[in-house]
Amino acid sequence: KAGVTQTPRYLIKTRGQQVTLSCSPISGHRSVSWYQQTPGQGLQFLFEYFSETQRNKGNFPGRFSGRQFSNSRSEMNVSTLELGDSALYLCASSFTGTSGTDTQYFGPGTRLTVL
Amino acid sequence: QKEVEQNSGPLSVPEGAIASLNCTYSDRGSQSFFWYRQYSGKSPELIMSIYSNGDKEDGRFTAQLNKASQYVSLLIRDSQPSDSATYLCADQGGAGSYQLTFGKGTKLSVIP
Repeated sequence: KAGVTQTPRYLIKTRGQQVTLSCSPISGHRSVSWYQQTPGQGLQFLFEYFSETQRNKGNFPGRFSGRQFSNSRSEMNVSTLELGDSALYLCASSFTGTSGTDTQYFGPGTRLTVL
Repeated sequence: QKEVEQNSGPLSVPEGAIASLNCTYSDRGSQSFFWYRQYSGKSPELIMSIYSNGDKEDGRFTAQLNKASQYVSLLIRDSQPSDSATYLCADQGGAGSYQLTFGKGTKLSVIP
């Protein structure tokens, strides 16, 4: 089975711009979660989608948004980019997303640099 | 605010030794825990999951969970230089939880 894929892998933007990142989950997985990883804060949860519905959102400003399509693919958008948004953005997929035996598998990530 | 605490290290062990990585969590209602390994510049990859009190073994890896003490650990036996990485402990929370809360990770160096 193919793993989680993310595009693009690397991105350079300037302050004030917006960016869209894409994630394709493992085939059959219906839950997609997004995380931001920075050296200072570590891995932090952004939001989670299941069947095109956002079920949970982390403590990030409204500039961060996402959506999920009917084929479970997901996108996240960051508007009005700030220098502090430079990070590795990770997508993870799981079968249902609920606790218990449901495991999240991570994609390779998108490295975003904001200049 | 749920928290997961890990010693940031670095933890250095000689090749062939046992590496012991520890993690504590704040939410008493949490039920599921995961250990991920992350090599520099790469994304986290799953090593083990654990849901019940006690030990769970998978090859050279043993995860231990003590819900009364809110403590999770990972033992790596016969450590190899290829085990050198950052190890992330994650708490998936209680029933119906949809997110992972991660510790900051422990950097392990296995010295040949």
